[in-house]
Amino acid sequence: EVQLVESGGGLVQPGRSLKLSCLASGFIFTNYGMNWMRQAPGKGLEWVASISSSNSYIYYADTVKGRFTISRDNAKNTLDLQMTSLRSEDTALYYCARQNYSGMDYWGQGVLVSVSS
Amino acid sequence: EIVLTQSPATMAASPGEKVTLTCRASSSVSYVYWYQQKSGTSPKFWIYDTSKLASGVPKRFSGSGSGTSYSLTISSMDTEDTATYYCQQGRSYPPTFGSGTKLEIK
Repeated sequence: EVQLVESGGGLVQPGRSLKLSCLASGFIFTNYGMNWMRQAPGKGLEWVASISSSNSYIYYADTVKGRFTISRDNAKNTLDLQMTSLRSEDTALYYCARQNYSGMDYWGQGVLVSVSS
Repeated sequence: EIVLTQSPATMAASPGEKVTLTCRASSSVSYVYWYQQKSGTSPKFWIYDTSKLASGVPKRFSGSGSGTSYSLTISSMDTEDTATYYCQQGRSYPPTFGSGTKLEIK
C-alpha cells in the first residue's frame, strides 16, 4: 500500500524557517517524481514544487522561488521542503504527492503550517 | 501560466440526477486530470488523461474534452459524490489547478 506521511509542520513567526518532510513507503521511491502542494484554509489547491526521480529536474512556483528548497533522499525514501523567510500567505496545509506520468496519483494526509506573530 | 476556470463554483444535485462540471483552459492543453476532495480529507486522484478513471472510481463518472474545454460528468448523482472537484493541467510548468466545483446533494 502506497503511503505518504508528512511531518514537521507547526506555528512559526514571519521571517522564520521550517522544514517539512514526507516519508514514502509501499512503492519504489526512486521510480517517481514527487511534488509539494498546499491548500490555504478554505481555498483551492496550489502546486509548490516538484523534483524528478533522480534529482535532475527541480521546479518551483513563482510564489516560493528563492525561499523554498525541495530535496529528496532516495536512500531514506524521504522528500523534504525547506522553507525560509516565511510569510503569512504561506499558511496552509502542505501535502506531498507522488507524480505519476498521468498525474498526482497519491497524496499524503497533509501537515499544517501556520505563519503568525 | 495556463489558467483553468471551473464552473459552476457550487452546485447541488438530486440523487439520480445527471451532473456536468466544466473546466476551461486559457490556452490549449493536451489533457486534464480531475481530483475529488471530500471535506477534511486529502485530494484523491479521480480522472486522468481527460477520460480515464482512476482505480476504484465508480463507472457513473466520465471525463471528456479537448483543447480548452473539458468536463466531468456523473451519470446519476449519488450521496457519496458530495465533494469538491478540481481540474488540473500538467502540460506545462507550472502545473495549475482550477478553483474547484463544490458539489452537494439536494
